[in-house]
Amino acid sequence: AQSVTQLDSHVSVSEGTPVLLRCNYSSSYSPSLFWYVQHPNKGLQLLLKYTSAATLVKGINGFEAEFKKSETSFHLTKPSAHMSDAAEYFCVVSDTTNFGNEKLTFGTGTRLTIIP
Amino acid sequence: SAVISQKPSRDICQRGTSLTIQCQVDSQVTMMFWYRQQPGQSLTLIATANQGSEATYESGFVIDKFPISRPNLTFSTLTVSNMSPEDSSIYLCSVTRWRNTEAFFGQGTRLTVV
Repeated sequence: AQSVTQLDSHVSVSEGTPVLLRCNYSSSYSPSLFWYVQHPNKGLQLLLKYTSAATLVKGINGFEAEFKKSETSFHLTKPSAHMSDAAEYFCVVSDTTNFGNEKLTFGTGTRLTIIP
Repeated sequence: SAVISQKPSRDICQRGTSLTIQCQVDSQVTMMFWYRQQPGQSLTLIATANQGSEATYESGFVIDKFPISRPNLTFSTLTVSNMSPEDSSIYLCSVTRWRNTEAFFGQGTRLTVV
């Protein structure tokens, strides 16, 4: 079984300051991990993904995440927040060993608010 | 990548009626999934749409309420049957390709049941 826990339901940061969105996962196998972003009234967009290659993953819009197996974490960071980053962020886990049935399990989401 | 067209984008329906949502992908994909996102909540997997056979439903979802078809590798439908206000949600189609776990999502169908 797999699960993911997003530790903060809401994060507020000032524009230009760093962003940290926390995610812990649980998986019986070697997982793939993703961060998706959902802007208001828009579809889901993939920010970045980890699939057992480099543990530090760089994504779009200046976001990156580090896979830490010992801590079972996959936290999302960005050095400097921009107003356009305000959105809902989902941490997602997939069981990569179950080929042909890579179901995704979503975290509960973190709403990021940017303060001007 | 995959471009997904989902129709309708939104609808307002009377309770007791049914709505069929269509998902069309621009190329062949391995897996197709249907998710529900209730207001202010995360995504919950309803079922995996299997080509030419019955869908695989997650716990809490049944075929009588959410019948799904997938006649080929690029098209699927989800029907929300005998709707009640509790069915008001965004329904999303998602696809993946063989050994590529990255999922692509449609824009979603925003359903309001009155």
